Formats: sequence, structure tokens, C-alpha cells
Amino acid sequence: QSALTQPRSVSGSPGQSVTISCTGTSSDVGGYNYVSWYQQHPGKSPKLMIYDVDKRPSGVPDRFSGSKSGNTASLTISGLQADDESDYYCCTYAGTYTRWVFGGGTKLTVL
Amino acid sequence: EVQLLESGGGLVQPGGSLRLSCAASGFTFSYYAMSWVRQAPGKGLEWVSAISSSGDTTYYADSVKGRFTISRDNSKNTLSLQVNSLRVEDTALYYCAVRRTGSYFDGWGQGTLVTVSS
Repeated sequence: QSALTQPRSVSGSPGQSVTISCTGTSSDVGGYNYVSWYQQHPGKSPKLMIYDVDKRPSGVPDRFSGSKSGNTASLTISGLQADDESDYYCCTYAGTYTRWVFGGGTKLTVL
Repeated sequence: EVQLLESGGGLVQPGGSLRLSCAASGFTFSYYAMSWVRQAPGKGLEWVSAISSSGDTTYYADSVKGRFTISRDNSKNTLSLQVNSLRVEDTALYYCAVRRTGSYFDGWGQGTLVTVSS
């Protein structure tokens, strides 16, 4: 199973919005509404930010939002803050055999 | 609060073995499926293996199938991963993770580092 495709890096200025894409296939991203997004600061464990495509866990700011169209999911962060600078990974359930697939990760830089 | 504490990592030669453990607390361990996810140095996350809440169903990524064995002891709130026939490319930080309410990982440990090198 190949990793989902994410841009290696994105950047934005404080207060701006950025969108990170996550492209898979009809067998993974397109086949299930089970896309999740994780934030990982350097040296830290991943933190769940979005689940089931567009749902936010308690405690995650509403500046973070998720969506999906076809085989591509997206994470949008609005009102960028310095602390948003981190690595972001998408993940999806991919069926009984493959189970879970992660994206390659995107480094967000806040300029 | 979910707490997951991994242990058992270390330096091992190619072909060697290790047993990784994850001690769980802060939630009813026996209710939930568990997974191992690894991250090679400077690389992305890779799902490795999963086990059902009862332990009777297991899943593996193709990259580790036949070499790794996941298990759990619900009486001791412990998840394990037996890693055999280790390869250089298995070098990674191994996280245990819990799925409590859906198809996503809502709790992660701090990881245990496995280094495979001669």
C-alpha cells in the first residue's frame, strides 16, 4: 500500500489561511469517510486534529477544518499562529486488508 | 486521561529480535483496539500492526508480515510487539496508539526507539 500524497511543505504568514492536501485513491481516501489529521511538533507524539474527514476533537480550535472531494482530502488552518508551525499527517482507513495508510507528511512554516 | 508508555527498544544487529511493550492507563484497555505505528528518523508515520480489543484478530502491514507479532494482555493492560528478523529499514521510533471511538488514533505514547545496525 503506497503512502498518501501530501505536499512536502507549505507556508503562510500569521493570520493567513493555508490548506494541506492529501491525495489517495478510490480504495482509501475516496472509499471511506475516515480521514484523520495529526499534528506533530518536533520531538513530540502525534496529536489528533481532525477525524472522520471534518470533525474536531474537543479542545482543537475551530481554526482547523477538514474536507474531502473524491480521492483528495484537505486540512485548512485559518488565522495562522506561530504555534501552528509543525508537521501534519493525514491518515485514512483503507479496508480490511490494508487497514490504515498515512500520508508522507507536510511541514507547515509560519513566516 | 489516556496514558501509553512504551518500552523495550534498543540497538540490535540485523536479524536480531526485540519485544516492545506498551503499558496503558487512564482508560478501559480491554474495550479498545490498539495499534503500533512507527516513524523512521526524519521520516513520516507508518502503520505497522493492529489488534482487536479481545486480541483474537490481528493485522499487519505488508512490510512486517511474517516477522512481527502483536499481542495483548488485558489483565495487565499491556500491548506487545515481538519484532523478529530485524532489518536496517526497521529502524524507527515505535508508537503504540489507541482507537477508542472510531477509525482514528486518539491516544499516542511517547515511543520507543529501535535501532537496527551492525
